[in-house]
Amino acid sequence: NAGVTQTPKFRVLKTGQSMTLLCAQDMNHEYMYWYRQDPGMGLRLIHYSVGEGTTAKGEVPDGYNVSRLKKQNFLLGLESAAPSQTSVYFCASSYPKAWNEQFFGPGTRLTVL
Amino acid sequence: RKEVEQDPGPFNVPEGATVAFNCTYSNSASQSFFWYRQDCRKEPKLLMSVYSSGNEDGRFTAQLNRASQYISLLIRDSKLSDSATYLCVVIGGTGGGNKLTFGTGTQLKVEL
Repeated sequence: NAGVTQTPKFRVLKTGQSMTLLCAQDMNHEYMYWYRQDPGMGLRLIHYSVGEGTTAKGEVPDGYNVSRLKKQNFLLGLESAAPSQTSVYFCASSYPKAWNEQFFGPGTRLTVL
Repeated sequence: RKEVEQDPGPFNVPEGATVAFNCTYSNSASQSFFWYRQDCRKEPKLLMSVYSSGNEDGRFTAQLNRASQYISLLIRDSKLSDSATYLCVVIGGTGGGNKLTFGTGTQLKVEL
């Protein structure tokens, strides 16, 4: 099993460009999450999904959109990238309920110039 | 005050030493607690859950002190491979019962 995979691993964007980050999991998990990790800030939740076709806002949702059309995939979109969105993005998945172990993908390093 | 606070370190210890980290949380209604480990430029991985009665997994011991609102992680007989950042995770902070809040992490460097 591959676990949680993320595409791409690295990306450099110019301000105003758009892109989509793809997260895929093969563990049949109901819950999926997108986090960003910045120095001195810890992991912060952007959006999450408790099942196919459902999404919800996390702590820092502004500037991002998500979709969960298939149970195994969770997409994170940046419509108009800003330098403040330079970060490392982690996707995670888990069985239902927050207290279950979260399995993280390897991360996407995004730089917005 | 941050919801979850950790000393960022780094803690530099010799191989074989015992080292302890604390993590304080602000919401007394927090329900569940975990330690995750994150290697440099890698993803976080669950190290252990923290139970009210305390729990031990090999060289690692986790404790919860609800009265003082902190959790601790003790590592005995440190190995070079223990070098990593240790993230404290608290569930049930401000805003809802299922909210996960990550600390910023404590960096451990084990040296020869």
